[in-house]
Amino acid sequence: GAGVSQSPSNKVTEKGKDVELRCDPISGHTALYWYRQSLGQGLEFLIYFQGNSAPDKSGLPSDRFSAERTGGSVSTLTIQRTQQEDSAVYLCASSPGGSGGWGQYFGPGTRLTVT
Amino acid sequence: GNSVTQMEGPVTLSEEAFLTINCTYTATGYPSLFWYVQYPGEGLQLLLKATKADDKGSNKGFEATYRKETTSFHLEKGSVQVSDSAVYFCALSDGNGANNLFFGTGTRLTVIP
Repeated sequence: GAGVSQSPSNKVTEKGKDVELRCDPISGHTALYWYRQSLGQGLEFLIYFQGNSAPDKSGLPSDRFSAERTGGSVSTLTIQRTQQEDSAVYLCASSPGGSGGWGQYFGPGTRLTVT
Repeated sequence: GNSVTQMEGPVTLSEEAFLTINCTYTATGYPSLFWYVQYPGEGLQLLLKATKADDKGSNKGFEATYRKETTSFHLEKGSVQVSDSAVYFCALSDGNGANNLFFGTGTRLTVIP
């Protein structure tokens, strides 16, 4: 079946501009996560959605970052007023449930470059 | 807090050699443990998992055993192939709250013919 998809695969933007990154999780997966992967910080958790519950935003690095999940499926991560330190690969993952034992299934990522 | 420490790389092995990549963890609660693999140019893939102490996860000839007494989850394979060249990440989910993954820094494995 179809895996997690993300778009765009690459995004180059100028410092100060806003960007939106999209994630389509695996159909039927109730849990959705955003992470970012950067050279200096490794893989970092950003935000978690589970069903209709309020999202866990504890990993968001600043208030310039926000995310939403519409209809319990597609999610959009928005970065406002981008900075060079936001350059990273942004990864989306989904899981069949909220229990940690399921494992998470990752998309190919969006490589963001802020110039 | 939660953290994962894994063996520094890079690791270079000849084909058919034995592989061990060490991973130890610190966690609150009762974590589940995972190994993920990232092949060149591809995304992260779940390789194997173990959800409780003494469980052994296995896949594609790789194995790892959840050792609570040593807080370890070392990855092993008896005979590596060139196609195993990738970056391997150890990770845990602590079973609380978001159940997000905490990752190690990754170990790059190169297998030469």
